[in-house]
Amino acid sequence: DGGITQSPKYLFRKEGQNVTLSCEQNLNHDAMYWYRQDPGQGLRLIYYSQIVNDFQKGDIAEGYSVSREKKESFPLTVTSAQKNPTAFYLCASTTTGRARANVLTFGAGSRLTVL
Amino acid sequence: AQTVTQSQPEMSVQEAETVTLSCTYDTSESDYYLFWYKQPPSRQMILVIRQEAYKQQNATENRFSVNFQKAAKSFSLKISDSQLGDAAMYFCASVNGYNNNDMRFGAGTRLTVKP
Repeated sequence: DGGITQSPKYLFRKEGQNVTLSCEQNLNHDAMYWYRQDPGQGLRLIYYSQIVNDFQKGDIAEGYSVSREKKESFPLTVTSAQKNPTAFYLCASTTTGRARANVLTFGAGSRLTVL
Repeated sequence: AQTVTQSQPEMSVQEAETVTLSCTYDTSESDYYLFWYKQPPSRQMILVIRQEAYKQQNATENRFSVNFQKAAKSFSLKISDSQLGDAAMYFCASVNGYNNNDMRFGAGTRLTVKP
């Protein structure tokens, strides 16, 4: 079945460490997204990518980095510069092109906790 | 910029009864789309329903329907014959039809279903 796989599901990090969250999709979607979810807040966009080797900052990109070397993969690195990284992270994807405002397909998420 | 407001942090409903979740949005665009997403305890975000702003007819999906009031910028979700499996966080979202990368989410409403 097609879908989005995020790993790991739970991740613990010590302060000062970088960590990378994996996001893989087999839906042949062009666009991929990373969202952050905090209690009492909606999802906030960190980064997005519409094609391979190109990505754009979202609303809260500071302290994060991404790459898009393959269409299927869009890993997110949470760097030590991110001051409050404890959160739930969601990866999503959708098609692009003539069909506008396509529905996002989400992964199951990764919970990052800083110790 | 778009904003989405969900004024009900928590709601509860008796099994088999009907409940309505509220959402208001603000956009200066004429072409936009509105969504309700469900996030069950598994935390996997699932699309519930989608509404295209240029369509006057309210969208329906089985027991789920919306009341789309364009002039009032209101987009409420009605769940009929509530089931225990409907218990989840529900997020309202909007996206400008010209910019798929700018989807905005409300803070969410936690729905409890009482047996």
